[in-house]
Amino acid sequence: AQSVAQPEDQVNVAEGNPLTVKCTYSVSGNPYLFWYVQYPNRGLQFLLKYITGDNLVKGSYGFEAEFNKSQTSFHLKKPSALVSDSALYFCAVRGPSGRDDKIIFGKGTRLHILP
Amino acid sequence: DGGITQSPKYLFRKEGQNVTLSCEQNLNHDAMYWYRQDPGQGLRLIYYSQIVNDFQKGDIAEGYSVSREKKESFPLTVTSAQKNPTAFYLCASGRGLQETQYFGPGTRLLVL
Repeated sequence: AQSVAQPEDQVNVAEGNPLTVKCTYSVSGNPYLFWYVQYPNRGLQFLLKYITGDNLVKGSYGFEAEFNKSQTSFHLKKPSALVSDSALYFCAVRGPSGRDDKIIFGKGTRLHILP
Repeated sequence: DGGITQSPKYLFRKEGQNVTLSCEQNLNHDAMYWYRQDPGQGLRLIYYSQIVNDFQKGDIAEGYSVSREKKESFPLTVTSAQKNPTAFYLCASGRGLQETQYFGPGTRLLVL
């Protein structure tokens, strides 16, 4: 069965420093991978996705994510953090097998950017 | 202006009462979803629908019901059988089960 893990409940980063939010997954076959962001009392916003091709995916608001097949990871990164990046981040995955495979969400990582 | 709307933003439920949360999309998406979000637990899938007049239970369907009579609408009813309904409810839609999901702004349900 497919699964996704976000090993850190919270990440603290100083403004201007690079940030990384970790995500690992388990699927049979090639994964489809997604990152979403949620601001307080709001719905989730789509940031980026990986389906195939270049392992480095660029998304909204200057975020990017690197797909690493050997480590089964899809970490979210940004070169220079902004205070406004503080939010809850969700990684999601689905496997390629079967028409009824649904997207599975991780439990979320709360990112705090310290001014 | 395309998107997904949810109403109301806040909803209060009395003991033993059924309440219905609205979700509407004008993105022409076939798939629609309902999730429940509790602090520290991420998103849990309640129900989903791939096409009109068809829907499937998710991981926590007990105490909830849905209908999909129109492509653009997927209302969720929280029944009196749901003993712990206080949560943030999120509706989403997508072109298919495997496609990117787009979320509404959410409804916060509170029990009086």
